[in-house]
Amino acid sequence: DIVMTQSPDSLAVSLGERATINCKSSQSVLYTSNNKNYLAWYQQKPGQPPKLLIDWASTRESGVPDRFSGSGSGTDFTLTITSLQAEDVAVYYCQQYYNTPVFGQGTKLEI
Amino acid sequence: EVQMLESGGGLVQPGGSLRLSCAASGFTFSIYALSWVRQAPGKGLEWVSGISGSGGSTYHADSVKGRFTISRDSSKNTLYLQMNSLRAEDTAVYYCAKDKGLAGRPGRYYFDYWGQGTLVTVSS
Repeated sequence: DIVMTQSPDSLAVSLGERATINCKSSQSVLYTSNNKNYLAWYQQKPGQPPKLLIDWASTRESGVPDRFSGSGSGTDFTLTITSLQAEDVAVYYCQQYYNTPVFGQGTKLEI
Repeated sequence: EVQMLESGGGLVQPGGSLRLSCAASGFTFSIYALSWVRQAPGKGLEWVSGISGSGGSTYHADSVKGRFTISRDSSKNTLYLQMNSLRAEDTAVYYCAKDKGLAGRPGRYYFDYWGQGTLVTVSS
């Protein structure tokens, strides 16, 4: 099974600054036949279900602010939040869908 | 508007059974795969089970294989999770989630809509 490991487990960033969350998969999630990375990012605020932010490692969902961006390929991925806003406080999860779904352990983002 | 509403959670003794339901609306039910994802108190997300749009293919995490069964009823637009031989470690909020449908490979799901979840507590 693919194991997804996020780092750090938690981080605190000042308002207006940049937050960077990393996600590493134990094997490549790049499907060579279509050159797509089967990697999604979610945001979960307290008491709410997760919200899909990004799929295919870097494609933002409709309505997601452009301060959220995803990058990376193969086994190493990054979620970047530029100019952090108070409403971005949440736990962020990566998830591979190269095989049956596996989530990272989550990264708690605080101000 | 897509809506997904779980029900059926509650307190059950170890070794007991429970059936969760998820009533879905706002999309063509029979086209999209659906899954159950759980979250133990204060913990992360764990995919539990998934089912294809037709219901012909099902997938389960190793942690629940042989104990949980996922099914769906297109006439009722409802997803189910039959949970047997429940253990304390099955205690969690159980979310139903809709596959976005773009992965193009069986069992390869990621989720664009989620319900609010239903809490299952396994305790004596």
